[in-house]
Amino acid sequence: GQSLEQPSEVTAVEGAIVQINCTYQTSGFYGLSWYQQHDGGAPTFLSYNALDGLEETGRFSSFLSRSDSYGYLLLQELQMKDSASYFCAVSTYSGAGSYQLTFGKGTKLSVIP
Amino acid sequence: DGGITQSPKYLFRKEGQNVTLSCEQNLNHDAMYWYRQDPGQGLRLIYYSQIVNDFQKGDIAEGYSVSREKKESFPLTVTSAQKNPTAFYLCASRARGYEQYFGPGTRLTVT
Repeated sequence: GQSLEQPSEVTAVEGAIVQINCTYQTSGFYGLSWYQQHDGGAPTFLSYNALDGLEETGRFSSFLSRSDSYGYLLLQELQMKDSASYFCAVSTYSGAGSYQLTFGKGTKLSVIP
Repeated sequence: DGGITQSPKYLFRKEGQNVTLSCEQNLNHDAMYWYRQDPGQGLRLIYYSQIVNDFQKGDIAEGYSVSREKKESFPLTVTSAQKNPTAFYLCASRARGYEQYFGPGTRLTVT
């Protein structure tokens, strides 16, 4: 089976930088994704890493180390609207062109003034 | 505008009743998924479908059933066999890439 570990809560100050870590154990690993979910809302895609290294998309960056089964999401220049839950998710291939996502339990980020 | 719609947003049912949650997409995506989310938890996969008339069980399929008669539609039935049906249900679709697009969700309460 698959398992993912991420911190349950993180608090950071507006304008600062925060890193949310994710470690995973899985078979058939294809990539690591990050999703953002505001309270009561739907998850929205932030980033995806299939290869080792850093991917940057505006204020958000995501890193993957396949050998360490580890990744992180880096949020820079934090804004109040970044207060949300952040989920890491591993993609696994289940045959016949079928991919599944297994989600971590999420990290609730609170941005304070 | 393309997207995924789920209806209704809130649904209330009595214990012992089956209930069907709607999911429609006009993104022309082949793959569709159903997830369940409980408070403070991640998303858990219930069922998924790669093509019309084909679907597979996810991690927590017991007490649920689905159909995929049209590419655009992937309804989920929560049966009376599901022991703890109260949850937030999310439908998603995927094109050929890795990104999943989610609908707004249906919050089901069973009393």
